[in-house]
Amino acid sequence: EVQLVESGGGLVQPGGSLRLSCVTSGFTFSSNWMSWVRQAPGKGLEWVANIREDGSEKYYVDSVKGRFTISRDNIRNSLHLQMNSLRVEDTAVYYCAREYKWGQGTMVTVSP
Amino acid sequence: DIQMTQSPSTLSASVGDRVTITCRASQSMSSWLAWYQVKPGKAPKVLIYKASTLESGVPSRFSGSGSGTEFTLTISSLQPDDFATYYCQHYNSHFGQGTKLEIK
Repeated sequence: EVQLVESGGGLVQPGGSLRLSCVTSGFTFSSNWMSWVRQAPGKGLEWVANIREDGSEKYYVDSVKGRFTISRDNIRNSLHLQMNSLRVEDTAVYYCAREYKWGQGTMVTVSP
Repeated sequence: DIQMTQSPSTLSASVGDRVTITCRASQSMSSWLAWYQVKPGKAPKVLIYKASTLESGVPSRFSGSGSGTEFTLTISSLQPDDFATYYCQHYNSHFGQGTKLEIK
């Protein structure tokens, strides 16, 4: 069974940083593109970033380019999202995703 | 970078109606498409994956079709629990803008 478990969310001030992690199991992690998606309170779904199987390609939504970095560890079957220069508008539940399978999400709140 | 265009943005319908939501991709994406249902305060729920495969536990009144650049989600007979917002997504990438299904 595919399992994705996110961690690392929390409350941070504007301009601060957080690092999200996602530990996976139940599939061959190193053979899959992975991504992060988010849902802000009362808003729709937004794709944030994705990364190729070997980490050689990474893509980001325009609003996070230069601030967020997606990475992966194919030994530990884990996905990460380093979030710097956080803004109030980054407040959301962040989900780790493999195709259409998502984790339970981790809440990030950016507030003064 | 494949962009997704979903329509309509809002759909008003009644219980028992048959409704269809369309999702168009800017370039061919084979069948790598999923449909999600989103309700306030709840985690998104996957309904359909690989364009037409019903996720386990999802009622059979939901169906998906299409391939390449045009996809549809159909609800054959609306139930009260179905009034929600629906999104298509190219796997690991962009979502459509969403369709809010409202009670007429």
